[in-house]
Amino acid sequence: GQNIDQPTEMTATEGAIVQINCTYQTSGFNGLFWYQQHAGEAPTFLSYNVLDGLEEKGRFSSFLSRSKGYSYLLLKELQMKDSASYLCAPRRNNYGQNFVFGPGTRLSVLP
Amino acid sequence: NAGVMQNPRHLVRRRGQEARLRCSPMKGHSHVYWYRQLPEEGLKFMVYLQKENIIDESGMPKERFSAEFPKEGPSILRIQQVVRGDSAAYFCASSNNSGTGIGNTIYFGEGSWLTVV
Repeated sequence: GQNIDQPTEMTATEGAIVQINCTYQTSGFNGLFWYQQHAGEAPTFLSYNVLDGLEEKGRFSSFLSRSKGYSYLLLKELQMKDSASYLCAPRRNNYGQNFVFGPGTRLSVLP
Repeated sequence: NAGVMQNPRHLVRRRGQEARLRCSPMKGHSHVYWYRQLPEEGLKFMVYLQKENIIDESGMPKERFSAEFPKEGPSILRIQQVVRGDSAAYFCASSNNSGTGIGNTIYFGEGSWLTVV
């Protein structure tokens, strides 16, 4: 099985930087995905890490430490439109529930 | 991702009726996942299918729920004798295979919102 933990809610100010953490325990680890979900909409893909280290993509970066079972999503220069839920999804390399999402972190960006 | 098509987008059913939700994966994708999301809650895995095969249904309720992905046509999530607690958003996602790499990202449809009255 899998055990995925994220903070439930976070608040930050427009223009600031926020880090959303995710810890996980899973067997057969095969990469970690981050998705963004606005209220009432479908999740959309943000980033993917399979090796340790930082992957940067514009204002969003994602970090992975496989030995610690830890990842974070870093959002810079926050904008109001970044208010959404952010879902962490470690993937397994076998067929059983190989794409299970964490509970999600609801981020509110304030002016 | 607009490539995964779900219908209907909104469905209202009375208690005891049946609900059928359809999902056509992105072109070239042969793996389909169904998730349920209750209001203000996270995505809960339900079932993972390939063409004509159920790979993992460990997230499906034992009764009233079934899923299929036939050789031809869309994947179907079927809920029999619906109850108020089945009211939720049901998301379908697809990928091209379950191997390694970013190419196996799953992409979501817009969801089907079921309301049971």
